[in-house]
Amino acid sequence: EAQVTQNPRYLITVTGKKLTVTCSQNMNHEYMSWYRQDPGLGLRQIYYSMNVEVTDKGDVPEGYKVSRKEKRNFPLILESPSPNQTSLYFCASRTGQSNQPQHFGDGTRLSIL
Amino acid sequence: AQSVTQLDSQVPVFEEAPVELRCNYSSSVSVYLFWYVQYPNQGLQLLLKYLSGSTLVKGINGFEAEFNKSQTSFHLRKPSVHISDTAEYFCALNTGGFKTIFGAGTRLFVKA
Repeated sequence: EAQVTQNPRYLITVTGKKLTVTCSQNMNHEYMSWYRQDPGLGLRQIYYSMNVEVTDKGDVPEGYKVSRKEKRNFPLILESPSPNQTSLYFCASRTGQSNQPQHFGDGTRLSIL
Repeated sequence: AQSVTQLDSQVPVFEEAPVELRCNYSSSVSVYLFWYVQYPNQGLQLLLKYLSGSTLVKGINGFEAEFNKSQTSFHLRKPSVHISDTAEYFCALNTGGFKTIFGAGTRLFVKA
């Protein structure tokens, strides 16, 4: 089954404690992306990757890091989380063609106290 | 700069009534337009997409949308909704690059 898998689904942590949210896709997609969803703001793009070792900033990259060492994986790293990063996070992937829709994971709800 | 505006944050409607969820966009170049649906505790799923050609696009679950270039709109419609259509709906655009712009979302509540 074609899918995007995120882990963990839920996480409560404290300010400053480094965390990583993993994302893996099994569709051999070139393009992967991270979004955060906040009430009234829709989805905002954090980072995206066009292929292995190729990443770029989205609209809200501050406080986040990513890496793309393998085609299937695109982890999101919060080196020093702060309360304003409490949000619902989604990973998505698609082919290299921009006219194709994205496939989304089920989301990771992060609470940073 | 591109933008997407969903004109209604919440839309309550009775079961079996028709519904329209409105989406306006702004772009100086050609666009690809998408509607996604998000059910509770799930990720987004594609409802339908407009790439080019016919301006009336049919999607899954009986939804359709009409692309109107002159009014820069891409409204989503369904002639008769079900309780199971209760969800949040997102309009999104891509202009051929690496970024997709999403609207703020519209919560559809279907009442019995």
